Amino acid sequence: GIQVEQSPPDLILQEGANSTLRCNFSDSVNNLQWFHQNPWGQLINLFYIPSGTKQNGRLSATTVATERYSLLYISSSQTTDSGVYFCAVERGDYKLSFGAGTTVTVRA
Amino acid sequence: DAGITQSPRYKITETGRQVTLMCHQTWSHSYMFWYRQDLGHGLRLIYYSAAADITDKGEVPDGYVVSRSKTENFPLTLESATRSQTSVYFCASSEGGFYGYTFGSGTRLTVV
Repeated sequence: GIQVEQSPPDLILQEGANSTLRCNFSDSVNNLQWFHQNPWGQLINLFYIPSGTKQNGRLSATTVATERYSLLYISSSQTTDSGVYFCAVERGDYKLSFGAGTTVTVRA
Repeated sequence: DAGITQSPRYKITETGRQVTLMCHQTWSHSYMFWYRQDLGHGLRLIYYSAAADITDKGEVPDGYVVSRSKTENFPLTLESATRSQTSVYFCASSEGGFYGYTFGSGTRLTVV
């Protein structure tokens, strides 16, 4: 099956800092999503981004499908950004394959 | 409220018992999924369904059974629970295409 690798595994930020999370995948995909899992365990869909760039407030994402990677940018981080960020890909069969996640801790 | 609801939120069961986790969605999405989340593994697909009465195995189906007699419900049954099935279970639904996936709040299952 497709391999999804996220880096870094852990990230500690001071409030107000910017950061970039990376997702590499081993084969072509139809769909790529970024999720945020908050400290209460809820998975929130951040972006549906099979290609191109999207922005939502302080978050933005870019997927370069031809080079098989996606980046999630967090700007001016806040403590509420803490949690685990997952990248998930789908290859046309509607089944998502997840990376292991990046755990982000934002300190006040 | 519209959405996807999982029950129970927490469950403790004994080894060998049968347990069923419930998932209900109000959007009439065609696709529904069950994932388990374990430390170091991210989320792994157990079973999925493309429509009522259509189900198929995912990455880790052993020890689990699903059914989907109605579009809105997708229960997951552990026929004889084992300690290795201690995990957090997430249900998700999707209409496919550009609509992405939406997850329930999860069920934390402990098998003792």
